[in-house]
Amino acid sequence: AQTVTQSQPEMSVQEAETVTLSCTYDTSESDYYLFWYKQPPSRQMILVIRQEAYKQQNATENRFSVNFQKAAKSFSLKISDSQLGDAAMYFCAVGSQGNLIFGKGTKLSVKP
Amino acid sequence: DVKVTQSSRYLVKRTGEKVFLECVQDMDHENMFWYRQDPGLGLRLIYFSYDVKMKEKGDIPEGYSVSREKKERFSLILESASTNQTSMYLCASNTWTGNNQPQHFGDGTRLSIL
Repeated sequence: AQTVTQSQPEMSVQEAETVTLSCTYDTSESDYYLFWYKQPPSRQMILVIRQEAYKQQNATENRFSVNFQKAAKSFSLKISDSQLGDAAMYFCAVGSQGNLIFGKGTKLSVKP
Repeated sequence: DVKVTQSSRYLVKRTGEKVFLECVQDMDHENMFWYRQDPGLGLRLIYFSYDVKMKEKGDIPEGYSVSREKKERFSLILESASTNQTSMYLCASNTWTGNNQPQHFGDGTRLSIL
């Protein structure tokens, strides 16, 4: 069985600052992938970034990057130069064989 | 871009009614999923399908059924709606070309059972 834990129900960041959202997971799969999704208020869930577990190099997508620690089963998301449009629920997910297990989410607020 | 369309953004039904939630994707994806999203609980998988007429139970299938008669369409059915099924329902799809394919989501259906 796979589990995903997001220990921060809510986070807040000042505009232009950096924030890190935490995620830990547990899986017995040897081949799996990790994802961060963003869900703005009343809007569609969209993919932010993905990480292949077999890759040591951390994924980066513009202002979004991950810190993947495979041995610790940790997969945190760093948002640099935070913008008002980054305010949303963020979900961490672990995937294998096409399926995803999601964490409970972190609500990020961005203060102007 | 992938388009996943859910038939209704908001739906209000009565206890005991049979409720159909429809989802259509336009990218010829093999896999389709139905999730339920509740505050503080994240997304929980109800059912998924990896091919036409195929279905698999997720984590919380009780009280729900699904239908996939065509590849592009995946329906979630509440056989006899109850108030504890009031929730946000999300449909998603992806292609089966390896584990790294992300799921693409619809806008969600906010269902209220009175």
